[in-house]
Amino acid sequence: GAGVSQSPSNKVTEKGKDVELRCDPISGHTALYWYRQRLGQGLEFLIYFQGNSAPDKSGLPSDRFSAERTGESVSTLTIQRTQQEDSAVYLCASSKGLPDAEQFFGPGTRLTVL
Amino acid sequence: AQRVTQPEKLLSVFKGAPVELKCNYSYSGSPELFWYVQYSRQRLQLLLRHISRESIKGFTADLNKGETSFHLKKPFAQEEDSAMYYCALRTTGNQFYFGTGTSLTVIP
Repeated sequence: GAGVSQSPSNKVTEKGKDVELRCDPISGHTALYWYRQRLGQGLEFLIYFQGNSAPDKSGLPSDRFSAERTGESVSTLTIQRTQQEDSAVYLCASSKGLPDAEQFFGPGTRLTVL
Repeated sequence: AQRVTQPEKLLSVFKGAPVELKCNYSYSGSPELFWYVQYSRQRLQLLLRHISRESIKGFTADLNKGETSFHLKKPFAQEEDSAMYYCALRTTGNQFYFGTGTSLTVIP
């Protein structure tokens, strides 16, 4: 079946603009994660959705970052008033949400803020 | 605070030689450790998890709570093992913390 998809694959924007990144998880996966990976760095946890529970937003770096998920489907990560330091690859992953459930990653969105 | 450390950014070994990718973690709770791999032009994918105690593609990793380590090992490296490897820790709250990764190159 289809894996996790993300769009767009690449996004170039100007400093100060807002951007919206989309993630389509694998059907039936109740858990969804967003990560940020800056050049030469590891994956940085941003936010975690599990079913209808309140999301774990503890990894969001500032109030310019927000994410939504409708039910167990699509999620959008929004970055307002983008800054150059927001340039990174943003990865989405989904899992069945069970203990020990494997995360399946999307291809990522490469964001460049000029 | 939770942390995963991979001290080697780059690692090169000859084909057929043993390979060990180091991972140390810091976590006050009961850790769950994973190794993820990213081959060239492919997505990040799970390689193995400590709870399964499996050998995947000849790789093994043992959780050593005393040394807070979860090193990845393979006795005989193959060219197709060349990839980026990430060690990850899952907390009881289901957050994942990843290391900065080790780029493994297996020289023919």
